[in-house]
Amino acid sequence: GENVEQHPSTLSVQEGDSAVIKCTYSDSASNYFPWYKQELGKRPQLIIDIRSNVGEKKDQRIAVTLNKTAKHFSLHITETQPEDSAVYFCAASQGYALNFGKGTSLLVTP
Amino acid sequence: GAVVSQHPSWVICKSGTSVKIECRSLDFQATTMFWYRQFPKQSLMLMATSNEGSKATYEQGVEKDKFLINHASLTLSTLTVTSAHPEDSSFYICSARDNGRHQETQYFGPGTRLLVL
Repeated sequence: GENVEQHPSTLSVQEGDSAVIKCTYSDSASNYFPWYKQELGKRPQLIIDIRSNVGEKKDQRIAVTLNKTAKHFSLHITETQPEDSAVYFCAASQGYALNFGKGTSLLVTP
Repeated sequence: GAVVSQHPSWVICKSGTSVKIECRSLDFQATTMFWYRQFPKQSLMLMATSNEGSKATYEQGVEKDKFLINHASLTLSTLTVTSAHPEDSSFYICSARDNGRHQETQYFGPGTRLLVL
C-alpha cells in the first residue's frame, strides 16, 4: 500500500520567516495530494491540495509543489504568523482513501 | 458549504458498554464517508470506508465486529464501538466526500473524543 513519509516532525520558525514541510510517497499511482492543518483538539482543515497534472499551486501565503518523478511534494508557508502554529499533515491518495503522513508540529514564535 | 458534523463531541463510558457516534454531512450528499482514529500526538489512521447502502470496508487490523458501521442515507454514517475497553479511548473523526464536487476532497467532522473507564 501507499506509504507517506513527512519531515520534519517539528519545526520552529520566527514570525515572518518561511516554513517548508516535505513529504514523499511510495505509490506512483497516487494522484491527489492534500495538506491539512489541525489545531489542538480540532478537526483537520484542508488548506491546499494539488493534483498530479499540476506541478505547483499557490494560495496567498501558502504554496504546494509536486515532483512526480521523485515522488515528493512540499508545503511552503511564507511570512509566517503565530496563528499558523498547528500540526500539518500531508496525504496522498489515488482518488479514494487518504494516506496521511505522521504530521509536522509547526511553532511560529513572535 | 461542505460542513460535516459529529455527535457526540465527547463521551465518557464504562468498560463493556457500547457507544454510537454519528457523522452527518449537513449541506451535501455523501455516498462515501471515512472513519479515522487519532491517538494523542499521532496521525490519523483510517479505520474503515463507509458506502451508502452497502457494507463498510475495513482496514487491516480493524475488527469489523467491534467497530460497527452503518451508512443508511446519503447524509448519515454511524460508528458503534461495541463493548468498549480503555484501549479504545481515542479521538474518532469522520470525513465525507461531496458527491457534487471534486470527488477526492474529504471534509472532516469535528471529532468525537471517547474515554472508556
